[in-house]
Amino acid sequence: IAGITQAPTSQILAAGRRMTLRCTQDMRHNAMYWYRQDLGLGLRLIHYSNTAGTTGKGEVPDGYSVSRANTDDFPLTLASAVPSQTSVYFCASSDSLDRETGELFFGEGSRLTVL
Amino acid sequence: GQNIDQPTEMTATEGAIVQINCTYQTSGFNGLFWYQQHAGEAPTFLSYNVLDGLEEKGRFSSFLSRSKGYSYLLLKELQMKDSASYLCAVSDSNYQLIWGAGTKLIIKP
Repeated sequence: IAGITQAPTSQILAAGRRMTLRCTQDMRHNAMYWYRQDLGLGLRLIHYSNTAGTTGKGEVPDGYSVSRANTDDFPLTLASAVPSQTSVYFCASSDSLDRETGELFFGEGSRLTVL
Repeated sequence: GQNIDQPTEMTATEGAIVQINCTYQTSGFNGLFWYQQHAGEAPTFLSYNVLDGLEEKGRFSSFLSRSKGYSYLLLKELQMKDSASYLCAVSDSNYQLIWGAGTKLIIKP
């Protein structure tokens, strides 16, 4: 089934530890995104990639890094986790040809708790 | 700054009609989106408006007035499965999506 797969689904992490959230899509979409969703706030963009080999910073990039070595994979790394990074993280993709309609396809989310 | 406002929570009765409003102030406008998100799940696309007027898609309709910075999502013949959060998002001048916090819709029998 085509779509976006995120892993892990849920993780509890000690502060200071390094963590990578994985995201893979099989729709051959050019654009990929990482969002965090916190209670009472809208989705906030962390990083994005318009095409393989390029990445950009979103609204809240500090403490996070991404890479886009190929079209399918877009991992998000927390170099040294802090409690304020406790959140639900969503990976999303879109066909850049539909940039003006911009329909996003989301993964199921990764719930991260930093203690 | 850029801002999207929508009610935090609404309650409606099964079989009825509900209108969820969204007002926005953004730097530029390249379309407004509505997404549905069931609890614990991913958001899914519902509608896209870029021109003024009403777009109808089955039981769901979305309206846009660019001059007023206003949109609404209209849900008819409400079903229990419509209980979810509804997210309003605006694409700004750089095609970056600005998201509202979402409206939690509770459907009662």
